[in-house]
Amino acid sequence: EAGVAQSPRYKIIEKRQSVAFWCNPISGHATLYWYQQILGQGPKLLIQFQNNGVVDDSQLPKDRFSAERLKGVDSTLKIQPAKLEDSAVYLCASSSPRLAGEGWQFFGPGTRLTVL
Amino acid sequence: AQTVTQSQPEMSVQEAETVTLSCTYDTSESDYYLFWYKQPPSRQMILVIRQEAYKQQNATENRFSVNFQKAAKSFSLKISDSQLGDAAMYFCAYRGAGGTSYGKLTFGQGTILTVHP
Repeated sequence: EAGVAQSPRYKIIEKRQSVAFWCNPISGHATLYWYQQILGQGPKLLIQFQNNGVVDDSQLPKDRFSAERLKGVDSTLKIQPAKLEDSAVYLCASSSPRLAGEGWQFFGPGTRLTVL
Repeated sequence: AQTVTQSQPEMSVQEAETVTLSCTYDTSESDYYLFWYKQPPSRQMILVIRQEAYKQQNATENRFSVNFQKAAKSFSLKISDSQLGDAAMYFCAYRGAGGTSYGKLTFGQGTILTVHP
């Protein structure tokens, strides 16, 4: 079974530029999560999708971050414009109580963003 | 809101020895899940072990076991017969079983584990 795919793995941009990250969850997983992990800290949830609807985006800085999950499969997270403090690893995860059991959440390899 | 605290920023252990990583959490929910994730330098988050709060029996997975104390809101991870490949950052995480925290993982700050040969 293929895992959660993310791209790119690394991205370096100048502040005030825009950037987009892509995530493809495990096939059949209805729930998709984007986490932000700042160096030396634990991941923090930015947004959670159930199919193509948003369940929780309470910690998403909506003035600069946006995310979508068209057709309930792939998802894109965008930052526009980027700030220095957005430098972090962005992790995508997916889950499916029906397919993988309750409570299991599978993570992708992450995208490391550096804002200069 | 739920919080997870890992009070040990760094731990070290000799190969083949046993080490225990600590985690405490705060919640008003009665039903929830607790997890330990391992994150090596590759950044891939790997699930090590999972505990359902309604189960009194402590979870075990090969060399990994937990000590779950629900009343004390404590959830420690014991690694027996430590191996060099166990070296990584370890995160304790909480997930509610329902309500507003359903699905969302709340992570601790992490503990860096070093394994000495």
